[in-house]
Amino acid sequence: QVQLQESGPGLVKPSQTLSLSCSVSGGSISIGGYYWSWIRQNPGKGLEWIGYIYKTGSTNYNPSLRSRVIISVDTSKNQFSLKLSSVTAADTAVYYCASSSSMGAFDPWGQGTLVTVSS
Amino acid sequence: DIQMTQSPSSLSASVGDRVTITCRASQSISSSLNWYQQKPGKAPKLLISAASSLQSGVPSRFSGGGSRTDFTLTISSLQPEDFATYSCQQSYSAPWTFGQGTNVDIK
Repeated sequence: QVQLQESGPGLVKPSQTLSLSCSVSGGSISIGGYYWSWIRQNPGKGLEWIGYIYKTGSTNYNPSLRSRVIISVDTSKNQFSLKLSSVTAADTAVYYCASSSSMGAFDPWGQGTLVTVSS
Repeated sequence: DIQMTQSPSSLSASVGDRVTITCRASQSISSSLNWYQQKPGKAPKLLISAASSLQSGVPSRFSGGGSRTDFTLTISSLQPEDFATYSCQQSYSAPWTFGQGTNVDIK
């Protein structure tokens, strides 16, 4: 059973870059047909898909964040990562990593990690 | 972007009640609609994919229906563990988008 676990700093200063990693266990990130996504949830708000990466390194980003987002994959470590630059308080959220098939339903999810943007 | 609108945004119900949540897409998404359950402090859990396909291990009191722009999630007999927030998500075209969520609490 595939499990995902986010890691990274819980506090980031405004204008800096948020960096998170997602470790995948119980399965290979290199398996075909699966997409590895980042999703966030602002406090008390709905869910926002940030983007995904495929095992080949191919990415697809939400246009609302595209200019600031980079998602990368490290198949040797079985993990993928998120970088979000020039953060503001509006980027304060719980960040989740998740897997999806080509059908686009997210399952499973990591437990989530709260990132606060504050000086 | 495809906008997903859920109604109601919140509801109060009793154990044993039949509950229906609606999700409307701003354009046709065929059957590319997924439902999630989220409890406080936890990650969302996939309940139903492709509008009506119940995920393994999800109780049969949950059901999904609809196509194109209008979808429903029904809980036939609400149980204590079902009090949570439910969100829909379209996987028809990127950027994949979610509804704002429906909070189901105890009456």
